[in-house]
Amino acid sequence: IAGITQAPTSQILAAGRRMTLRCTQDMRHNAMYWYRQDLGLGLRLIHYSNTAGTTGKGEVPDGYSVSRANTDDFPLTLASAVPSQTSVYFCASSDWGQGRNTQYFGPGTRLTVL
Amino acid sequence: DAKTTQPPSMDCAEGRAANLPCNHSTISGNEYVYWYRQIHSQGPQYIIHGLKNNETNEMASLIITEDRKSSTLILPHATLRDTAVYYCIVSLYNQGGKLIFGQGTELSVKP
Repeated sequence: IAGITQAPTSQILAAGRRMTLRCTQDMRHNAMYWYRQDLGLGLRLIHYSNTAGTTGKGEVPDGYSVSRANTDDFPLTLASAVPSQTSVYFCASSDWGQGRNTQYFGPGTRLTVL
Repeated sequence: DAKTTQPPSMDCAEGRAANLPCNHSTISGNEYVYWYRQIHSQGPQYIIHGLKNNETNEMASLIITEDRKSSTLILPHATLRDTAVYYCIVSLYNQGGKLIFGQGTELSVKP
């Protein structure tokens, strides 16, 4: 069982380019999340999905879009990357429900926008 | 949103108990307290969570005060591998289970 996988591990991207960060989980969790972590700071929620077919905005959604076509995959797209989106991106999943929100995190994608 | 306050850093001697405090004075009745940690550049790792009773698992113990306005995470015998940033989070259950991470406490376990 792999848990959560993210791809790519790292990427250098020119400003203005489109980029999709991939996230896949094999735990059949209903909920998935995308966070960004800037140097020296805590994680901030970008978007989330409680179940396949639904998504919601987090603290910092601007400039990002997500889709949840199935249970396992939750890609994050930067339509036109800007340098302020340079960050480490973490995907997470959880079997969310009453009293349950233990999130399991992937290894992260380190993105640099020049 | 209920917020948490944690000291920015703490030291602990190896083999001793590490007691990490957290204030969450605006917590509401149906919000859980979660603890995660992040070891350098890795994804955060779940440690423990609770509602109002004290909890214990193989990693740690969680002590929540009776008024639920504060809690303490206890690592009973800290090792060098416990050096990490520890996050105390109040779970917004009724808003999609989102976790709002603060700045956390950087715990340094020293030999």
